[in-house]
Amino acid sequence: KNQVEQSPQSLIILEGKNCTLQCNYTVSPFSNLRWYKQDTGRGPVSLTIMTFSENTKSNGRYTATLDADTKQSSLHITASQLSDSASYICVVGTSGTYKYIFGTGTRLKVLA
Amino acid sequence: DAMVIQNPRYQVTQFGKPVTLSCSQTLNHNVMYWYQQKSSQAPKLLFHYYDKDFNNEADTPDNFQSRRPNTSFCFLDIRSPGLGDAAMYLCATSSLQPGSYNEQFFGPGTRLTVL
Repeated sequence: KNQVEQSPQSLIILEGKNCTLQCNYTVSPFSNLRWYKQDTGRGPVSLTIMTFSENTKSNGRYTATLDADTKQSSLHITASQLSDSASYICVVGTSGTYKYIFGTGTRLKVLA
Repeated sequence: DAMVIQNPRYQVTQFGKPVTLSCSQTLNHNVMYWYQQKSSQAPKLLFHYYDKDFNNEADTPDNFQSRRPNTSFCFLDIRSPGLGDAAMYLCATSSLQPGSYNEQFFGPGTRLTVL
């Protein structure tokens, strides 16, 4: 069964600290993996997207890694800001279909 | 700017009263999706269109219908909303052009309240 699991479910950190969110997937055939940020009451906004051949991609303070062999991805947030408080969703796309498998997200709270 | 637009952003309806949610896109993407997202849950795919081809998820209730009159617009019709249909409804698009990431772009969502 195609699944995407994220950990931790929720996380609280102090402003300025770094954090890493995890995503494990069992999706086949794999096409790509993307990380989204979703603010409360808003639609998801894409942070990074990686294909099978890419193992790291950065977007400002966000750096995503992908290990296609172990089927794991991580999202590292550097020097967190209050505005980073949101849900972060890992989504895996499948080859040959138009469907995406969503993780349940990690809720991040950054405190001053 | 090219984008996915959803209207209204907030919709209040009464139990059993039909409601239509609207989505439009300026990206000229050939695939459009409707998702339902409840609090603290992942978005759940209701259906998607590849061009005019409609694809319904097996567990999408009959109460939900969709129309795509042209490339730019897609509508979600809820024929008889129940209290359990209160949720955020997200529209998304993607393009299946060769060489693209097949990235999905989301609208801001419509928050539906059922009284």
